[in-house]
Amino acid sequence: DVKVTQSSRYLVKRTGEKVFLECVQDMDHENMFWYRQDPGLGLRLIYFSYDVKMKEKGDIPEGYSVSREKKERFSLILESASTNQTSMYLCASSPPAGLTDTQYFGPGTRLTVL
Amino acid sequence: SQKIEQNSEALNIQEGKTATLTCNYTNYSPAYLQWYRQDPGRGPVFLLLIRENEKEKRKERLKVTFDTTLKQSLFHITASQPADSATYLCALGPGGGNKLTFGTGTQLKVEL
Repeated sequence: DVKVTQSSRYLVKRTGEKVFLECVQDMDHENMFWYRQDPGLGLRLIYFSYDVKMKEKGDIPEGYSVSREKKERFSLILESASTNQTSMYLCASSPPAGLTDTQYFGPGTRLTVL
Repeated sequence: SQKIEQNSEALNIQEGKTATLTCNYTNYSPAYLQWYRQDPGRGPVFLLLIRENEKEKRKERLKVTFDTTLKQSLFHITASQPADSATYLCALGPGGGNKLTFGTGTQLKVEL
């Protein structure tokens, strides 16, 4: 079974803090994704990566950055957390395009910024 | 701009009945469409994928249809059970790249 893990289920941070959200997958997937999910807005793509050290902006990259130094690990960084970044953050991974188009999600991190 | 619409109102049905959820899209020509299930506080879980050249797909009690002319997919759960209660998300993919665009989801409640 594919397993995608996220470093924390719940996180509370203060405005202005630097926040790291970690995601690890154990299936050697090339593609990894970071989404945020908010009521009424659904899942929105923040950043994705097709390979180590590669990253591409999604639909809402402002205020976020990412790092992919190893194939299995994809980190989301909030350089200076703000209250409007309070949300559920979901990481996903998938094999290369053409093998299967399914994304496998982690359990999510509910981040609250005070 | 691309738009995916799922009924934002919760769907309440009785156990044993068939639940039908709708996914409509505009300004998009997807190569495939996927349905995911999401339970409260958890990540979505993949259920079914249907490609643009397929009309219908089945998996156990689940059935998905895909009408590229109407730009609509219907997701059916037959003989529904309380355990089917969850939010169901549709997602469209362009093919090649695995980048998905998700709908906002429809909450299904199956009552005894």
